[in-house]
Amino acid sequence: DAKTTQPPSMDCAEGRAANLPCNHSTISGNEYVYWYRQIHSQGPQYIIHGLKNNETNEMASLIITEDRKSSTLILPHATLRDTAVYYCIVRVAGNQFYFGTGTSLTVIP
Amino acid sequence: DTGVSQDPRHKITKRGQNVTFRCDPISEHNRLYWYRQTLGQGPEFLTYFQNEAQLEKSRLLSDRFSAERPKGSFSTLEIQRTEQGDSAMYLCASSLTQGSGNTIYFGEGSWLTVV
Repeated sequence: DAKTTQPPSMDCAEGRAANLPCNHSTISGNEYVYWYRQIHSQGPQYIIHGLKNNETNEMASLIITEDRKSSTLILPHATLRDTAVYYCIVRVAGNQFYFGTGTSLTVIP
Repeated sequence: DTGVSQDPRHKITKRGQNVTFRCDPISEHNRLYWYRQTLGQGPEFLTYFQNEAQLEKSRLLSDRFSAERPKGSFSTLEIQRTEQGDSAMYLCASSLTQGSGNTIYFGEGSWLTVV
């Protein structure tokens, strides 16, 4: 599975949109982009995933560039409870997940 | 709650003792995964099962570690002769092989402290 690159940390003001970038320049055509988050001492929580098209659910939006070499996770109105480590993972469906070190997002009051 | 369930949530053991963790996956999920996570690191893959068959094991899974899924439902992860370096959170996850992208769902983890 392709590797991903994420900034180690980011801050976001409460109520504003949090935009978390991820680079995956070696992604292949059958690899999905997944986002998970992990709040301190808890198991990773699934957020969203996509293959080619942009996706939106009740938690977030996923924007994938046309060449699929990068993506952005958008939390539209960040709250203090969104403070967590966010992992971007690229994976062929059916393979196991390989996690990096993710982006530590801090939402500031 | 019908999510992935792990037991116990916390375990403190003396070095050299054996410990066993249990995982109950989401009902009807045919794949089950074990991961390990130490402080400041992302989860590391250990092994996974499809039904009762163990299909892949990471090199992180030393011979002191053994995982089973005897009836294709719950799974156990046993660590023999524990060492201080085994102190970590052990995560279980499950998924279906069908469906869009085969999303994996994680449990809350089992914390192990070896003293």
